Amino acid sequence: DVKVTQSSRYLVKRTGEKVFLECVQDMDHENMFWYRQDPGLGLRLIYFSYDVKMKEKGDIPEGYSVSREKKERFSLILESASTNQTSMYLCASSLWGPQHFGDGTRLSIL
Amino acid sequence: GQQLNQSPQSMFIQEGEDVSMNCTSSSIFNTWLWYKQDPGEGPVLLIALYKAGELTSNGRLTAQFGITRKDSFLNISASIPSDVGIYFCAGQDGGATNKLIFGTGTLLAVQP
Repeated sequence: DVKVTQSSRYLVKRTGEKVFLECVQDMDHENMFWYRQDPGLGLRLIYFSYDVKMKEKGDIPEGYSVSREKKERFSLILESASTNQTSMYLCASSLWGPQHFGDGTRLSIL
Repeated sequence: GQQLNQSPQSMFIQEGEDVSMNCTSSSIFNTWLWYKQDPGEGPVLLIALYKAGELTSNGRLTAQFGITRKDSFLNISASIPSDVGIYFCAGQDGGATNKLIFGTGTLLAVQP
């Protein structure tokens, strides 16, 4: 079974902090994705990566950046956290077929 | 970004009832996926459909890939309390980046 592990289930940070969300997959998948999920808005794609050091913007990249130095790890960075970035963040990975998701990180920005 | 039209938005049913939900798109997809998300967890893949007209079952769940490639439905038979959660459809156009377009979700509540 594919395992996608997100480093934290819950995280509380302060406005203006630099925040790192980490995601690791164990299936040698080429593609990795970061989404945020908000009530009534569904899953929205922030960034994705189809190879090491490669990244592409999704639908809502503003205020975020990503890093993929190793194939198994994809990091989401909030450069200067703001309260409107309080959300559930989901990481996913895939080869060519369905995406497999981690359990999510519920991030609160105070 | 684009989202699929998924209906109904929510359903409140009695245990033992059958459930049906569907997704429609203005675009053609090569793959349709159905996920379930339990409260506080990430989405889990239920069924993947790869061919127009395909009908696939997974236990009490049955899903179909529409002939036009623009729609899909998911049926749950004889619902049980653990079926509670949010169900998402997702379409994939087969592009190199493997991106998915998600439906808005159907919240299912099952009363024992």
